[in-house]
Amino acid sequence: NAGVTQTPKFRVLKTGQSMTLLCAQDMNHEYMYWYRQDPGMGLRLIHYSVGEGTTAKGEVPDGYNVSRLKKQNFLLGLESAAPSQTSVYFCASSPPFRQKNTEAFFGQGTRLTVV
Amino acid sequence: DQQVKQNSPSLSVQEGRISILNCDYTNSMFDYFLWYKKYPAEGPTFLISISSIKDKNEDGRFTVFLNKSAKHLSLHIVPSQPGDSAVYFCAAERKGGSEKLVFGKGTKLTVNP
Repeated sequence: NAGVTQTPKFRVLKTGQSMTLLCAQDMNHEYMYWYRQDPGMGLRLIHYSVGEGTTAKGEVPDGYNVSRLKKQNFLLGLESAAPSQTSVYFCASSPPFRQKNTEAFFGQGTRLTVV
Repeated sequence: DQQVKQNSPSLSVQEGRISILNCDYTNSMFDYFLWYKKYPAEGPTFLISISSIKDKNEDGRFTVFLNKSAKHLSLHIVPSQPGDSAVYFCAAERKGGSEKLVFGKGTKLTVNP
């Protein structure tokens, strides 16, 4: 019963390098999200998707791109990493909010350090 | 503009006592509210929720109260246990609306034995 799995769990990047964070869910959820958590800032939404092939910007989308080619996967890309992107990244998935009693399920997080 | 606010960054209580965590929101369109709990090095996990048509929801030691006129909700934990020590996030959403879950900044609860 994997739930939401994030890959990798840790990564150190040099400024200007690129990378992709992978999120996979096995609950057949329609919606998927990428958040970042910084000290004193809570969880801020980067991008989200309400279905396969769709993406939308969240609160802090700059410097990130996403793709949802398959329903179960949501990829977060950093084209040119900056130290300001040092953070813990969380992926989440949920059924459509129009359904009753739904909540989002989170992955374990990816700790990214940009030096 | 922060739509969900948790104004207390931290709270410390004694084991066995009540913990009260507060949350305020500004968007009157929110109609579903959730509390998540987060331990260090783990992802947030769902704790309890409440719909805007209710003013109280209880699940074991956890009760969430909603005051729509004040745009305020609170999470009560009774009795508090050391294992409850974690960061608690308040979240809100609008069903059938923008489909985004908005979080507060979190309150770190410490329950002392």
